Amino acid sequence: GQQVMQIPQYQHVQEGEDFTTYCNSSTTLSNIQWYKQRPGGHPVFLIQLVKSGEVKKQKRLTFQFGEAKKNSSLHITATQTTDVGTYFCAGPGGGSQGNLIFGKGTKLSVKP
Amino acid sequence: GAVVSQHPSRVICKSGTSVKIECRSLDFQATTMFWYRQFPKKSLMLMATSNEGSKATYEQGVEKDKFLINHASLTLSTLTVTSAHPEDSSFYICSAVPGGADTQYFGPGTRLTVL
Repeated sequence: GQQVMQIPQYQHVQEGEDFTTYCNSSTTLSNIQWYKQRPGGHPVFLIQLVKSGEVKKQKRLTFQFGEAKKNSSLHITATQTTDVGTYFCAGPGGGSQGNLIFGKGTKLSVKP
Repeated sequence: GAVVSQHPSRVICKSGTSVKIECRSLDFQATTMFWYRQFPKKSLMLMATSNEGSKATYEQGVEKDKFLINHASLTLSTLTVTSAHPEDSSFYICSAVPGGADTQYFGPGTRLTVL
């Protein structure tokens, strides 16, 4: 079945360093979404990418959708302690009901 | 906007009892709600898709008789874990989709512990 893979599983960085998480789908995606889950919290929607090769920025976060619409990345520039959490990518799971298939997430820890 | 609540946030119950979890969209109507289960340090696993006024669609491997879903209105879906066992202990999260949108808004989750 359809799979969404995400690496790395964990990333420990020093505050101020950059961070990137990568997402790969076994199938072409109509769109990809990114979520952030703080420790003890629930996933919060960050962004959706739809177009091939699309790049979107949110302050220090840069999201990219691959040309083949099968991979995506999230890059954080100059991490801060507030960036701590697990970042999930998710793609449509098929069917008409809008369900999502989530990657396993990348847990980011930032050392001050 | 797009706030989703869940109740209770935490529940501890004895093995064999049933537990009902409510998911409410507070400021929008949601024809579709999703129920996820998240194990510690793991990703979210979709359990079922809840549609207002119709039967829920369950993912493969999820027992529909054990996890009863009712989507009685456009703002409320409930998940009932029947005859709970310790292996049902988990973090259950719902999400709701505003009409015409494809973005899911997540509730704060319910931590279920079955003793």
